[in-house]
Amino acid sequence: EVQLVESGGGLIQPGGSLRLSCAASGFTVSNNYMSWVRQAPGKGLEWVSVIYSGGSTYYADSVKGRFTISRDNSKNTLYLQMNSLRAADTAVYYCARDLPVDYWGQGTLVTVSS
Amino acid sequence: DIQLTQSPSFLSASVGDRVTITCRASQGISSYLAWYQQKPGKAPKLLIYAASTLQSGVPSRFSGSGSGTEFTLTISSLQPEDFATYYCQQLNSYPFTFGPGTKVDIK
Repeated sequence: EVQLVESGGGLIQPGGSLRLSCAASGFTVSNNYMSWVRQAPGKGLEWVSVIYSGGSTYYADSVKGRFTISRDNSKNTLYLQMNSLRAADTAVYYCARDLPVDYWGQGTLVTVSS
Repeated sequence: DIQLTQSPSFLSASVGDRVTITCRASQGISSYLAWYQQKPGKAPKLLIYAASTLQSGVPSRFSGSGSGTEFTLTISSLQPEDFATYYCQQLNSYPFTFGPGTKVDIK
């Protein structure tokens, strides 16, 4: 059974850094496209980043230069390193498999506030 | 960036109604469009991909059509479990934008 379990969210001050993790089971992360999608409270979905099986990465303009997507093949885990966080980054962050997304994690809430 | 608009933003309907949601792209995206359903507090669920292909396990009352810049999601006979918010997403070019959503509520 495919499962995606995010962790690492929490309350962080503006300008701070946070790393989200997404532990995958039931499939191999490195063989699939893996994305992060976020949803601000009461708002719609926003695609954030993707890492392809070959390792290429792409980002939304809103996070480019501040966020880094990566994976650890030995741990079958996806990551999102988030630096220079802003209030506008406050959202539930979902880990997602493939494009279009066929499996989603449960989400982890990141709150950027002083 | 490709912008997606959805209409209507909000839809009030009854069980058994036929419901149609439209998604328009600011430029042509061929058939690189997916539809998702999201219920409150839950992750989205993939319904349709490649504009008209039904995801495995999704009831056949859901269907999608369109290509280029105009797409539709149709629910042939609305069921109680279908009350949710629906999003389209384009996968033609980066960033892979989502539409703003259409909330389907109970009349």
